[in-house]
Amino acid sequence: DTEVTQTPKHLVMGMTNKKSLKCEQHMGHRAMYWYKQKAKKPPELMFVYSYEKLSINESVPSRFSPECPNSSLLNLHLHALQPEDSALYLCASSLGQGDSPLHFGNGTRLTVT
Amino acid sequence: GENVEQHPSTLSVQEGDSAVIKCTYSDSASNYFPWYKQELGKRPQLIIDIRSNVGEKKDQRIAVTLNKTAKHFSLHITETQPEDSAVYFCAAGFTSGTYKYIFGTGTRLKVLA
Repeated sequence: DTEVTQTPKHLVMGMTNKKSLKCEQHMGHRAMYWYKQKAKKPPELMFVYSYEKLSINESVPSRFSPECPNSSLLNLHLHALQPEDSALYLCASSLGQGDSPLHFGNGTRLTVT
Repeated sequence: GENVEQHPSTLSVQEGDSAVIKCTYSDSASNYFPWYKQELGKRPQLIIDIRSNVGEKKDQRIAVTLNKTAKHFSLHITETQPEDSAVYFCAAGFTSGTYKYIFGTGTRLKVLA
């Protein structure tokens, strides 16, 4: 299995809702990432988990809460989001430190109403 | 801070012509340079990468060159085809204990048939 699987593909939520994005990989990768991508912009790093521990938090607002239950799973819990948080949320994984390629999932298209 | 500049932001070429996209990075500790292709509505996919101990790498119609002294690296696509039309992102990664990748701002390539 050489894929990163993300669910759901699309999500519409109100500003008072709580929802979660899910990501799964079975490539034995030890680093997992959350990126946010706005239209016509590059992916913007949010969080990195290394060996199931949070290693990078790019000053992301607390309404985004990451979780790594095990080496294959990565979640992003969403609460009290703003309309400007609408974007494509990409999960990625890599074998090791910053010298191995990122494998991206297909993303979750999030719309906050 | 860490930064990757990418030029041009848009590029139109006739089918069969070559396309060149250039990136400049700021952090001399960067030593891994992947290129990603992102088609509309899809995930970024790795097309080629190069490590700092190599000056050039080629894979069929795609090549990447690296000039460490000048902190430049470039993507070369020869004999372009309409299916090469996409947004291309360069990135810089670090092997020095971090899982961070810095992305360039992207180049929208249009190959005109």
